[in-house]
Amino acid sequence: GIQVEQSPPDLILQEGANSTLRCNFSDSVNNLQWFHQNPWGQLINLFYIPSGTKQNGRLSATTVATERYSLLYISSSQTTDSGVYFCAVDGAQKLVFGQGTRLTINP
Amino acid sequence: DTAVSQTPKYLVTQMGNDKSIKCEQNLGHDTMYWYKQDSKKFLKIMFSYNNKELIINETVPNRFSPKSPDKAHLNLHINSLELGDSAVYFCASSLSHGEAFFGQGTRLTVV
Repeated sequence: GIQVEQSPPDLILQEGANSTLRCNFSDSVNNLQWFHQNPWGQLINLFYIPSGTKQNGRLSATTVATERYSLLYISSSQTTDSGVYFCAVDGAQKLVFGQGTRLTINP
Repeated sequence: DTAVSQTPKYLVTQMGNDKSIKCEQNLGHDTMYWYKQDSKKFLKIMFSYNNKELIINETVPNRFSPKSPDKAHLNLHINSLELGDSAVYFCASSLSHGEAFFGQGTRLTVV
């Protein structure tokens, strides 16, 4: 089945810093999503981005489907950005998740 | 107005008991899922239903039985609960190959 790998596994930054999270996947996909799991455990949709680039405020994402990777950019980090960021790809009618990147933003 | 809602949010129960988790979506989606998140935060598919029909059963013990009475509901019944069943269970829905939305999760603790 499809494999999804995220890097880095952990990231600790000061408030105001920028970061780039990466997601590699092993096969072509119909769908790619980025989620933020906040400290209360909720999975929040960030981007639905099978290809191309999207921006939402301080966050943006780029998926290069032909090269099988996606990037999530977070600019001017805030403490509320802390949590685990998941990439998930659609493989045969199910979302396959990466192992996540745990982001900690210190004040 | 919550898009994907699951109840209860917390469930603490003894080994050997039977319990159910309910899920409802009001998004008009045709596909619903159950995911399990383990203690290391890894999210793994358990079941997928499309138009009330089971399409994925990902090597889940048969103590777990999903039931979809209609396209808007997917419930999960668990028999003879074991310590290893303790986890967070997430319900989700989507249109086929479309964007998926998740419920708030049910934290199951088996003691």
